[in-house]
Amino acid sequence: SAVISQKPSRDICQRGTSLTIQCQVDSQVTMMFWYRQQPGQSLTLIATANQGSEATYESGFVIDKFPISRPNLTFSTLTVSNMSPEDSSIYLCSVLDPRSFYGYTFGSGTRLTVV
Amino acid sequence: QQQVKQSPQSLIVQKGGISIINCAYENTAFDYFPWYQQFPGKGPALLIAIRPDVSEKKEGRFTISFNKSAKQFSLHIMDSQPGDSATYFCAVPGYRSSGSARQLTFGSGTQLTVLP
Repeated sequence: SAVISQKPSRDICQRGTSLTIQCQVDSQVTMMFWYRQQPGQSLTLIATANQGSEATYESGFVIDKFPISRPNLTFSTLTVSNMSPEDSSIYLCSVLDPRSFYGYTFGSGTRLTVV
Repeated sequence: QQQVKQSPQSLIVQKGGISIINCAYENTAFDYFPWYQQFPGKGPALLIAIRPDVSEKKEGRFTISFNKSAKQFSLHIMDSQPGDSATYFCAVPGYRSSGSARQLTFGSGTQLTVLP
């Protein structure tokens, strides 16, 4: 299956600042997804990022708060902007792996704490 | 939007016992039903998945049972071990109303603790 490297693995940030999370995949993939997992909760899809087009955001998530870039088929970034303590979560990158029928592979996540 | 209901929220089992986690879904247009396992500090990893044309799939100590008419599927962990202690998520893939991409909708998760 695809191997995903996600950076940083964790960070502590001041409120009002922004953090950019990077997701690197070891193979070319069409679809990349960004999820948020709040403490002790399930995974909630933030947006889908396809190369060459704007990201598609889920209800409750907006581009101004979570801008996404997808410059090529192996890389994407998610920025958490103007952070508040409510943004403290684990942010996960996921890809639809064409080499696997059950194709969704996840990165290890970025644990973000906003103080 | 697809609803996926998972139970129980938490489960404590003695070593060697059987762990059972259940998942119910609403729509039927899916081609497989996966379970994910997540350890603290890690992303979810695919544990086992089943296609809807079979009623059961077994991989080692892990079994998925699928009931299409009831729109339910369950994960059974036989001979549960302390190393199985993790959070388990069921999920269903499908197209969401907000876009055209095929995406996963996750259940709420079950925190399994296997006592030594």
